[in-house]
Amino acid sequence: GNSVTQMEGPVTLSEEAFLTINCTYTATGYPSLFWYVQYPGEGLQLLLKATKADDKGSNKGFEATYRKETTSFHLEKGSVQVSDSAVYFCALSDQRGKLIFGQGTELSVKP
Amino acid sequence: EAGVAQSPRYKIIEKRQSVAFWCNPISGHATLYWYQQILGQGPKLLIQFQNNGVVDDSQLPKDRFSAERLKGVDSTLKIQPAKLEDSAVYLCASSSPIRAPLGGYTFGSGTRLTVV
Repeated sequence: GNSVTQMEGPVTLSEEAFLTINCTYTATGYPSLFWYVQYPGEGLQLLLKATKADDKGSNKGFEATYRKETTSFHLEKGSVQVSDSAVYFCALSDQRGKLIFGQGTELSVKP
Repeated sequence: EAGVAQSPRYKIIEKRQSVAFWCNPISGHATLYWYQQILGQGPKLLIQFQNNGVVDDSQLPKDRFSAERLKGVDSTLKIQPAKLEDSAVYLCASSSPIRAPLGGYTFGSGTRLTVV
């Protein structure tokens, strides 16, 4: 079945450091790919998305590129801020609209 | 537009008791989802409804969990009897069938269940 695997956390960075959170997926067909973010005490929010191969999703300085050849959708940000501290979830959606999440990666940014 | 409404926000029960959660999706959203998010893990899909029919309930523990969506609008998720391992946040989400593959999901704030 479809699945998502992302790097384990927690990830601890200093402010202005470069961020990469790895995500790989297994799916039949052509899923859409997403990154969701969950800030402390808040609900899930869509951060960015890509619906076909080679698409790049971007939002709030975060980027991720849909790589079909490596079945990956790694999240990157050039310069993280303390306010980026949160849990990040990689997810995919199949043609029936079923949304499957990875296990989440906690990011902690220190000033 | 109004968001996905869930109640209650918090619930504490003893093991072997029963509990029910309620979800009101965004108006017009035909697809409704219930997810279970155990602390430190990603949300796991329990059941997906399309209108009032079940699309996927393969990961719903049917010996103790049940869900219904009468009239294709509101939904309730019930656990009976509860076990300690059911302690989690239960998330409801809704979408339209066309927008779902494009990321058009809206999540509620969730119900945090603690089983003691």
